[in-house]
Amino acid sequence: EADIYQTPRYLVIGTGKKITLECSQTMGHDKMYWYQQDPGMELHLIHYSYGVNSTEKGDLSSESTVSRIRTEHFPLTLESARPSHTSQYLCASSEYPSGGPRTVFFGEGSRLTVL
Amino acid sequence: DAKTTQPPSMDCAEGRAANLPCNHSTISGNEYVYWYRQIHSQGPQYIIHGLKNNETNEMASLIITEDRKSSTLILPHATLRDTAVYYCIVRGNSNSGYALNFGKGTSLLVTP
Repeated sequence: EADIYQTPRYLVIGTGKKITLECSQTMGHDKMYWYQQDPGMELHLIHYSYGVNSTEKGDLSSESTVSRIRTEHFPLTLESARPSHTSQYLCASSEYPSGGPRTVFFGEGSRLTVL
Repeated sequence: DAKTTQPPSMDCAEGRAANLPCNHSTISGNEYVYWYRQIHSQGPQYIIHGLKNNETNEMASLIITEDRKSSTLILPHATLRDTAVYYCIVRGNSNSGYALNFGKGTSLLVTP
């Protein structure tokens, strides 16, 4: 079983508020990712990290920011939430063995609604 | 990454085998085939992966053709809880942080 946790699972917040979505994994994985998924739509990579102090933008442009100060934590922040940010945000992690397959583990997601 | 093609939807009767196809004609020699599924917008769940040989685990079997241009995920005895979107993903050794690139997948409906 994957040990990757996201909080909150559900969040309803007003426009202009700052929010942080937490993601933690206990597997010691170097690589972590954030995906965004609208209802019934595809998952899109918005951020990823190779390890501590490493963060990169993903394929889909996002106004959110991320940080990676500790291996196990990869929080996502929106400084000023807007209704267009309403979506599900999924955190994931994977190990980084040299060569071979790499299995990616996902959290249960954080469903954000901005009013 | 090689591009994959999957049918948008499939039906399967409960208790029967569900065979989900995937085409990946541009796959290269070092790229693995991965299958994930997503049940009702939960986080995607890893099912199985393979490189050249057929693979089986407690969840499913993966059949890869000899030329590696297509594969089939087999759920031997589908249950209602197997209703989900199934993603076939081909990924090599270098990517955006080795992230998975999800397409639209196949929406599998298991009926009583």
